[in-house]
Amino acid sequence: GQNIDQPTEMTATEGAIVQINCTYQTSGFNGLFWYQQHAGEAPTFLSYNVLDGLEEKGRFSSFLSRSKGYSYLLLKELQMKDSASYLCAVVNSNYQLIWGAGTKLIIKP
Amino acid sequence: ETGVTQTPRHLVMGMTNKKSLKCEQHLGHNAMYWYKQSAKKPLELMFVYSLEERVENNSVPSRFSPECPNSSHLFLHLHTLQPEDSALYLCASSQEVGGTSPNTGELFFGEGSRLTVL
Repeated sequence: GQNIDQPTEMTATEGAIVQINCTYQTSGFNGLFWYQQHAGEAPTFLSYNVLDGLEEKGRFSSFLSRSKGYSYLLLKELQMKDSASYLCAVVNSNYQLIWGAGTKLIIKP
Repeated sequence: ETGVTQTPRHLVMGMTNKKSLKCEQHLGHNAMYWYKQSAKKPLELMFVYSLEERVENNSVPSRFSPECPNSSHLFLHLHTLQPEDSALYLCASSQEVGGTSPNTGELFFGEGSRLTVL
């Protein structure tokens, strides 16, 4: 079967750094997405990785290792508005999106 | 504002009712999707439309009936639902179905319709 694993919930402090991990087992790989979803709002696109390595976009970075079936989302200089759920999704060989259950990130002052 | 609008935002219905969810996208995209989101579960893809033609139906019970009259509008007709159907129903659109670049694969979601079945 195909599976995406990410932690259910994480807590971090305002101003700190947090890393949200995502491991996957899918039939083929054509890229990995991270989405952010605030409570009661639409999921919104954060990043897309298809090649190994780190991609930085402001305070957010996303890393991919295809050989390890592993990605992480790194959030720096955390702000209260970063409290949200973070969804990891993998595009498989049939171009289907396989979703993780999401990680709820709680930011404390 | 993501360019995808869903109505109603909240819906409470009995098991014998018939209701419809509506989605409209203003992005000129060719593909539209219905997803079900339940607490602590992965998003479940229900239906995919490409240029108004249904291209995917993931073993969804017949009490859910999609309709795509044009590439900008998508409906989900609901009848004789069960309490376990209570969830957030998300509509999304993308430039094309599938694709390997973020420009074609990135999904734009609506804020969802929160459905409660009594």
